[in-house]
Amino acid sequence: QSVLTQPPSASGTPGQRVTISCSGSNSNIGSNTVNWYQQFPKTAPKLLIHSNDQRPSGVPDRFSGSQSGTSASLAISGLQSEDEADYYCAAWDDSLIGPVFGGGTKLTVL
Amino acid sequence: QVQLQESGPGLVKPSEALSLSCAVSGDSISSGFYWGWIRQPPGKGLEWIGSIYHMGTTYYNPSLKRRVTISVDTAKNQFSLIVTSVTAADTAVYYCARYGWLAVGAGWFDPWGQGTLVTVSS
Repeated sequence: QSVLTQPPSASGTPGQRVTISCSGSNSNIGSNTVNWYQQFPKTAPKLLIHSNDQRPSGVPDRFSGSQSGTSASLAISGLQSEDEADYYCAAWDDSLIGPVFGGGTKLTVL
Repeated sequence: QVQLQESGPGLVKPSEALSLSCAVSGDSISSGFYWGWIRQPPGKGLEWIGSIYHMGTTYYNPSLKRRVTISVDTAKNQFSLIVTSVTAADTAVYYCARYGWLAVGAGWFDPWGQGTLVTVSS
């Protein structure tokens, strides 16, 4: 059971906007920044969003992140077929004294 | 660009120790970042194992701390992971990654190695 809670699945049609939620607690999301990782099958995760809402160089601006209280969200606008992947949220946890991950959300583009 | 590459046995017997190394290229392991290990059991999510700073400071996941040791070799520009007394539950893809941080509580893993599958089986 993961420390951060994500829905196991999400879906959308091309061009739609989809959001993926990530719920935590005061010891992680409530007091630290949130990161999002994208993982395609059989490949390593890739950093998608860091520091709640910052996109690394090369990440399309269709991807955006937000954080409020003990929850965070990843939004993908203008959904494309190549966005079909697993998405993981992560944050530092003050109780664990280390980073914790969500269980992952499998995004399907219909 | 920075690249990380894991190496080590793909098959380990139960009760034995799992040993992996992560070679870093394109950056010095003494450059001021932390370096970490993360694993992913087949079909499951990500689990942080532990992280190390080049000066030797380590942080371990409390659930694994008793069995895990992470060390750094600055001369070889690599860091290593040892997990003792392994069971089938330790079967996973093991990733190494660089941990960048702006402040305590504000860090992220980037980039990641390609990962290596370790199977625990007799």
